[in-house]
Amino acid sequence: GQNIDQPTEMTATEGAIVQINCTYQTSGFNGLFWYQQHAGEAPTFLSYNVLDGLEEKGRFSSFLSRSKGYSYLLLKELQMKDSASYLCAKPGAGSYQLTFGKGTKLSVIP
Amino acid sequence: ETGVTQSPTHLIKTRGQQVTLRCSSQSGHNTVSWYQQALGQGPQFIFQYYREEENGRGNFPPRFSGLQFPNYSSELNVNALELDDSALYLCASSLPSGTAKNIQYFGAGTRLSVL
Repeated sequence: GQNIDQPTEMTATEGAIVQINCTYQTSGFNGLFWYQQHAGEAPTFLSYNVLDGLEEKGRFSSFLSRSKGYSYLLLKELQMKDSASYLCAKPGAGSYQLTFGKGTKLSVIP
Repeated sequence: ETGVTQSPTHLIKTRGQQVTLRCSSQSGHNTVSWYQQALGQGPQFIFQYYREEENGRGNFPPRFSGLQFPNYSSELNVNALELDDSALYLCASSLPSGTAKNIQYFGAGTRLSVL
């Protein structure tokens, strides 16, 4: 199966750090994606992890533990424009058809 | 801007009608995937096209069908529309499976309302 679980909503303060977790079934692992989606807009690519560890890209970092079926997205120095849904997605075994979690709606407050 | 364009942006149909949605992929991308996103949910995979052939299908009935053209643009057709078909339909283009990362780049979507 491809069950992907992530929290439904999170709230954080401008300037703070927030961690959005994602757990998935480890069978047929082929990498893990994070996308950002503002309301009414297209999902935009943030990161792709295939090996264990932390990958940093500016204010955003993504972590993966393949043995635990666990990933997180870390957002630093939060800005109001970071208010969006964050989607965790996993390609299917032997294919690149993405299965998405339901998304985590992040609200950044002043 | 991902270079993936979809049309129309919004559409209203009535139950039982048919609809065609269109997508132009990013230059150099020959694989197109379609997703349905209900309100408050993550996108759900409908099907993928590679070199004008269907290359995988999600759990959607046959009344959801598609085409890919030689220029890699694509259409999604839905027959006998139902109220539950109301959703945002997203198109994503990518390089072929097996290419490094194979990142999918999404268009802004078509918002379909079925009344």
